[in-house]
Amino acid sequence: KAGVTQTPRYLIKTRGQQVTLSCSPISGHRSVSWYQQTPGQGLQFLFEYFSETQRNKGNFPGRFSGRQFSNSRSEMNVSTLELGDSALYLCASSPGPESYNEQFFGPGTRLTVL
Amino acid sequence: GENVEQHPSTLSVQEGDSAVIKCTYSDSASNYFPWYKQELGKRPQLIIDIRSNVGEKKDQRIAVTLNKTAKHFSLHITETQPEDSAVYFCAALTGSSYKLIFGSGTRLLVRP
Repeated sequence: KAGVTQTPRYLIKTRGQQVTLSCSPISGHRSVSWYQQTPGQGLQFLFEYFSETQRNKGNFPGRFSGRQFSNSRSEMNVSTLELGDSALYLCASSPGPESYNEQFFGPGTRLTVL
Repeated sequence: GENVEQHPSTLSVQEGDSAVIKCTYSDSASNYFPWYKQELGKRPQLIIDIRSNVGEKKDQRIAVTLNKTAKHFSLHITETQPEDSAVYFCAALTGSSYKLIFGSGTRLLVRP
């Protein structure tokens, strides 16, 4: 069974631009969570999607948004990029909501904002 | 607010020694506590977890203990090996908002 995949793996943008990241979950997994990983802050929860609905949202500004499609693939979007948005963005999939013991992470998308 | 504190931030041990990483959480309703290992350049991987109705769980050389009263939990690695070198993250699933809140990570270095 293929693992969680994320595209693109690396991205360089400039301040003010917007970016869209994609996450394809493990086949059969319907829940997708997104995390931001930075050296100083560790892993911070962004949001969780299940059945195309956002179930939970972390403490991030409205510039961060996401969505989930009927095939469980998920995208996250960051508008008006700031330097501080430079980070590794990880998504994780699990069979259903709160089945964190069966949660698997993707390889991440490393975003650099110049 | 919902918070997980993790200590130490870095830990260096001699091969064969034990390593202990400690975390405290703020939400007393938290009921699930996973630990993740992230090797350099790789994705986090779940290595062990514990639920709030259990005080200790072991899996070969790793164990996790939970003290609900004190709201802290710890990861114990015995007979450390160089391949244990990685960043370890603790996390707590909040009971009210069902979010997985992570600690800031511990960089473990096992010296051969």
